[in-house]
Amino acid sequence: GESVGLHLPTLSVQEGDNSIINCAYSNSASDYFIWYKQESGKGPQFIIDIRSNMDKRQGQRVTVLLNKTVKHLSLQIAATQPGDSAVYFCAENTSGGSYIPTFGRGTSLIVHP
Amino acid sequence: NAGVMQNPRHLVRRRGQEARLRCSPMKGHSHVYWYRQLPEEGLKFMVYLQKENIIDESGMPKERFSAEFPKEGPSILRIQQVVRGDSAAYFCASSEGESDTEAFFGQGTRLTVV
Repeated sequence: GESVGLHLPTLSVQEGDNSIINCAYSNSASDYFIWYKQESGKGPQFIIDIRSNMDKRQGQRVTVLLNKTVKHLSLQIAATQPGDSAVYFCAENTSGGSYIPTFGRGTSLIVHP
Repeated sequence: NAGVMQNPRHLVRRRGQEARLRCSPMKGHSHVYWYRQLPEEGLKFMVYLQKENIIDESGMPKERFSAEFPKEGPSILRIQQVVRGDSAAYFCASSEGESDTEAFFGQGTRLTVV
């Protein structure tokens, strides 16, 4: 079936470095993508989104890139901080008559001070 | 504007009992999603509801699990005759339901079956 998947389950970086988290998706009909951050014991928190008619979107310290040709999504975090340590999920809104956010497995980001 | 509210935060049930998980969506949201998350895993979609309607329940187990979102009151995820394998975190999310709007999540209910 169609799925959203992540390449790296764990990413360790030093404080101040830039982080890149990747995500592959296979549903070509998806037209909206969201990155969520989940801290331990909490619910997922919205970080940034991007529509399929865009290839880049920037937020505060975060940038999402969308490559529809290879069905790839990435989240870039600039100047990573210890507070960025969390599990990051990409989600796509699948369209089958209703829009349901579909999640991949997640990448655990560990930031070392 | 309160976010998505889930209660209880923690729920302990003995095998065979019933578990009821509640979710109040954000104000103005009429679309609710329930997800289940096991430790070290992603969120697995269970069911999508609008007021008084189940839109998609393709992720719900065929037996023991049910969900509702009445005209008044919170959405309820009900698990009958719980088993140890039901132990997980259950998250609820709500949205405006449009294709390009994000879903906002609650803090989850952590169900432990003993």
